[in-house]
Amino acid sequence: QSVLTQPPSVSAAPGQKVTISCSGDSYNIERNFVSWYQQLPGTAPKLLIYDNTKRPSGISDRFSGSKSGTSATLGITGLQTGDEADYYCGTWDSGLSAGVFGGGTKLTVL
Amino acid sequence: EVQLVQSEAELKKPGESLKISCKTSGYNFASYWIAWVRQMSGKGLEWMGIIYPHNSETRYSPSFQGHVTISADKSISTAYLQWSSLKASDTAMYYCARLPVGYCSDSNCRDYGMDVWGQGTTVTVSS
Repeated sequence: QSVLTQPPSVSAAPGQKVTISCSGDSYNIERNFVSWYQQLPGTAPKLLIYDNTKRPSGISDRFSGSKSGTSATLGITGLQTGDEADYYCGTWDSGLSAGVFGGGTKLTVL
Repeated sequence: EVQLVQSEAELKKPGESLKISCKTSGYNFASYWIAWVRQMSGKGLEWMGIIYPHNSETRYSPSFQGHVTISADKSISTAYLQWSSLKASDTAMYYCARLPVGYCSDSNCRDYGMDVWGQGTTVTVSS
């Protein structure tokens, strides 16, 4: 059971927008910065968002992040079939004194 | 170019020891934390622990504390993950990743996300 809770799956049509939620508590998301990762099938994860809202160089502005209280959200606009992947949120947990990931969300672009 | 290149896949028996590696290049190895992440087949990412090569400070997830050891060799810019006695439940893919960190206190680290990842090392433990 992951410390951070994500929906197991989301789906949307090409060109549409989707959001993926990540729910935590006062020890993790509320007091620490959230990152988001994309893992395409058979590949290593890739950093999409850090510091709740920032994109690393080279990441499309179709990807966005937000945080409010104990929850964070990843948004993806203009969905493409190439966006089909597993998405993970991650942050630090001050109670555990360690990092934590969400359980992951599988995105299907119909 | 920043690169993290991990050692090849391993097939081991229960009870055996193992040390896998993550060789880095393209940046100052000592100045960035390195994270290790486990992914069991068909499952999600699990944060195992991190090391700061500058002084070998480590932080472990309670779930992995005492089961694995993370180390680093600054002279060859390489981080390691090792087991003294493998179990079948250690079968998984293991990733290393570079973790930029602003500061660490006793209870948390202010990090900027795992920005560069290795290709992964598959570890299979079977009798």
